[in-house]
Amino acid sequence: SAVISQKPSRDICQRGTSLTIQCQVDSQVTMMFWYRQQPGQSLTLIATANQGSEATYESGFVIDKFPISRPNLTFSTLTVSNMSPEDSSIYLCSWGQGEKLFFGSGTQLSVL
Amino acid sequence: KQEVTQIPAALSVPEGENLVLNCSFTDSAIYNLQWFRQDPGKGLTSLLLIQSSQREQTSGRLNASLDKSSGRSTLYIAASQPGDSATYLCAVGAGFQKLVFGTGTRLLVSP
Repeated sequence: SAVISQKPSRDICQRGTSLTIQCQVDSQVTMMFWYRQQPGQSLTLIATANQGSEATYESGFVIDKFPISRPNLTFSTLTVSNMSPEDSSIYLCSWGQGEKLFFGSGTQLSVL
Repeated sequence: KQEVTQIPAALSVPEGENLVLNCSFTDSAIYNLQWFRQDPGKGLTSLLLIQSSQREQTSGRLNASLDKSSGRSTLYIAASQPGDSATYLCAVGAGFQKLVFGTGTRLLVSP
């Protein structure tokens, strides 16, 4: 299976700023996924990112708040914009091989 | 809308015990079911994937079963070790590469 590198691993940010999370895979994958895990909660899918097209967002998530880029088959970024304390979560990128999903190590974000 | 529940939310056992984690889901029309392990502040590690047509999968000390008709899956861990301490998540496949996650069971195995 491909290896995912996700960074930063953690960050502490000020309210109103933006943070971009990067995810690098060491082989080409068709779809990549971004998940959010709020404190004490399970994972929720934010969006699906295909190379060369706009990301598909799940209900409750919008592009202005969580813009995603997918410039090629090995890389994707998720930006958390205009952050508030409610955005404090772990953000995880993911990709599939067959029916299995594999995950990056996550970005632990704290917003003050 | 598919809902996935895991019981218990937390479990503490002494080393060496066999244990069972439970996962239930509301819609039996699932694509597959996957069990993951999550260490604190980390991403997820895939443990086992059960196809909708299968009833169980085994990997080492882990055995996962699936009963679609009753909307249940169990993860059996044999001879637990302190290194097994983590949160275990089950996720139901709602479509190809589309998962709905459970709330997790936080396991602590004491030496």
